[in-house]
Amino acid sequence: AQRVTQPEKLLSVFKGAPVELKCNYSYSGSPELFWYVQYSRQRLQLLLRHISRESIKGFTADLNKGETSFHLKKPFAQEEDSAMYYCALRTNNNDMRFGAGTRLTVKP
Amino acid sequence: DAGVTQSPTHLIKTRGQQVTLRCSPKSGHDTVSWYQQALGQGPQFIFQYYEEEERQRGNFPDRFSGHQFPNYSSELNVNALLLGDSALYLCASSLGTGNGYTFGSGTRLTVV
Repeated sequence: AQRVTQPEKLLSVFKGAPVELKCNYSYSGSPELFWYVQYSRQRLQLLLRHISRESIKGFTADLNKGETSFHLKKPFAQEEDSAMYYCALRTNNNDMRFGAGTRLTVKP
Repeated sequence: DAGVTQSPTHLIKTRGQQVTLRCSPKSGHDTVSWYQQALGQGPQFIFQYYEEEERQRGNFPDRFSGHQFPNYSSELNVNALLLGDSALYLCASSLGTGNGYTFGSGTRLTVV
């Protein structure tokens, strides 16, 4: 079964603290994984994709095939990082499957 | 570039009615995917259109149907509306089927 699991619905950290948003996937093929973000009153937008191996807004994510994980990390969280984060998997059929999302709150 | 535009933004329908939602993709994009997002849930894949054909379909009943026009815009139709169809319906466009998506702001459908 193709599934994306984000075990934390809510995550709260203080400004300047490290943050890690967890994502696990279940997929029999070669996965392509993404992180999307939705800031308050804005539309869902692409944050990063694993094949790009890039850092966006200080966030990075590494695909770990052994642990079937794609956790999103940032060493020093900022208040403007507060948002809803969705992990997504593109299947071999080219459709995108999303996790339930994690709401990150960064407190001052 | 207006990005992905969806209309209407909000809609209220009665059980049993039919509804049509519309999506214009981002300029240069040729693929449109539709998602249903219930409150507190992640987007659930409905179907994807490319070259005016339904290419992939998620686990949704036949009451959900769609269309893509030659200008790449798309419609989502839902027949015999149920209360459980109340959700935010998102349209996402991409260039081909192998790239990241650009999302619209969605249509909020309420079935009463």
